[in-house]
Amino acid sequence: DAKTTQPPSMDCAEGRAANLPCNHSTISGNEYVYWYRQIHSQGPQYIIHGLKNNETNEMASLIITEDRKSSTLILPHATLRDTAVYYCIVAANFGNEKLTFGTGTRLTIIP
Amino acid sequence: NAGVMQNPRHLVRRRGQEARLRCSPMKGHSHVYWYRQLPEEGLKFMVYLQKENIIDESGMPKERFSAEFPKEGPSILRIQQVVRGDSAAYFCASSRGLVGTDTQYFGPGTRLTVL
Repeated sequence: DAKTTQPPSMDCAEGRAANLPCNHSTISGNEYVYWYRQIHSQGPQYIIHGLKNNETNEMASLIITEDRKSSTLILPHATLRDTAVYYCIVAANFGNEKLTFGTGTRLTIIP
Repeated sequence: NAGVMQNPRHLVRRRGQEARLRCSPMKGHSHVYWYRQLPEEGLKFMVYLQKENIIDESGMPKERFSAEFPKEGPSILRIQQVVRGDSAAYFCASSRGLVGTDTQYFGPGTRLTVL
């Protein structure tokens, strides 16, 4: 079973920041938070990951609460191409264990 | 710097035939994972392999499905005697296999249609 909870769907206006929440209240101390997205029926695309500090890369920012029980993925200036299903996953060793995908959040960017 | 490659991208088989799906991991990656996505559903783990070893096959159906990752060449997911319920997108991912921070990168998938 997925260890994360996400809203099933969200809308965001084009050009605005999209904030996608994820609840992972049972996360263990050595587990990372990863975000992937799946655009239409393409392969999942890695976005960003973090352990306890906030992270930023060219695609997005990841804000993890101090107690690590929840996080928010921020797409700073959403475009129509960001319309996708976004998955939040927690695991200790992403490089050598299976990933459990939940149902994710279907983000729709509105023109 | 090529990513994970899968072929064929689309595969059509009639019931009872065999399907072979191939996956070439990213350069420097020695760990391969197969996931299946049925229509309108999420991705489900099938099997995790290293070179010449199956590490975790807890998601593989008990019959007709097999996977290998030989010393040389791509990983192969083989489905024997396909049935309509096997129609799905099959995704391969690869990683370096590091403990702690590491990432699985996914290929574009193979879409299997069983007639």
